[in-house]
Amino acid sequence: EAQVTQNPRYLITVTGKKLTVTCSQNMNHEYMSWYRQDPGLGLRQIYYSMNVEVTDKGDVPEGYKVSRKEKRNFPLILESPSPNQTSLYFCASSLDRGGNSPLHFGNGTRLTVT
Amino acid sequence: GQNIDQPTEMTATEGAIVQINCTYQTSGFNGLFWYQQHAGEAPTFLSYNVLDGLEEKGRFSSFLSRSKGYSYLLLKELQMKDSASYLCAVRDFNKFYFGSGTKLNVKP
Repeated sequence: EAQVTQNPRYLITVTGKKLTVTCSQNMNHEYMSWYRQDPGLGLRQIYYSMNVEVTDKGDVPEGYKVSRKEKRNFPLILESPSPNQTSLYFCASSLDRGGNSPLHFGNGTRLTVT
Repeated sequence: GQNIDQPTEMTATEGAIVQINCTYQTSGFNGLFWYQQHAGEAPTFLSYNVLDGLEEKGRFSSFLSRSKGYSYLLLKELQMKDSASYLCAVRDFNKFYFGSGTKLNVKP
């Protein structure tokens, strides 16, 4: 089944403790991206990647890191999480053969930082 | 800056037609997408417009006017399962900008 898989689904951590949220897609998509969703603010793009070893900042990259060492994986790293990073995170991928490729979203990771 | 505006919430009756509007102001434009998101779930793709005009897909249609920075999603023959949030998103080169979503409540 074609899908984007994120792990974990739920994560509670403490301020300053490094964490990684994994994202993997099995559709051979070139484009991958991370979003956070907060009430009243909608989805905001954190980082995106056009292909292996090619990453760039989205709208709200501060406090986050990403890497794209393999085409299928695009982990999100929070080196020193803070409470304002408590949010619902989505990973998404698209074929990106032209601008009309829709995003396929993972099931989300609900992160709480205390 | 980039700005995507949608109404926060709408209510409609089962079997009726509802129109959800989206206005946008972005530096560039490479297409407009509509997604549906049920509570607690991931967004799923509904429609895409890049040229002016109407795109129809079953009970769902989407319209775009690039000169006005305006789009709408039209849902016909509403069903209870259409109760969800509807997200408008603009692609600007390699970035995506989303509106905050319109929560649609369908009542019997």
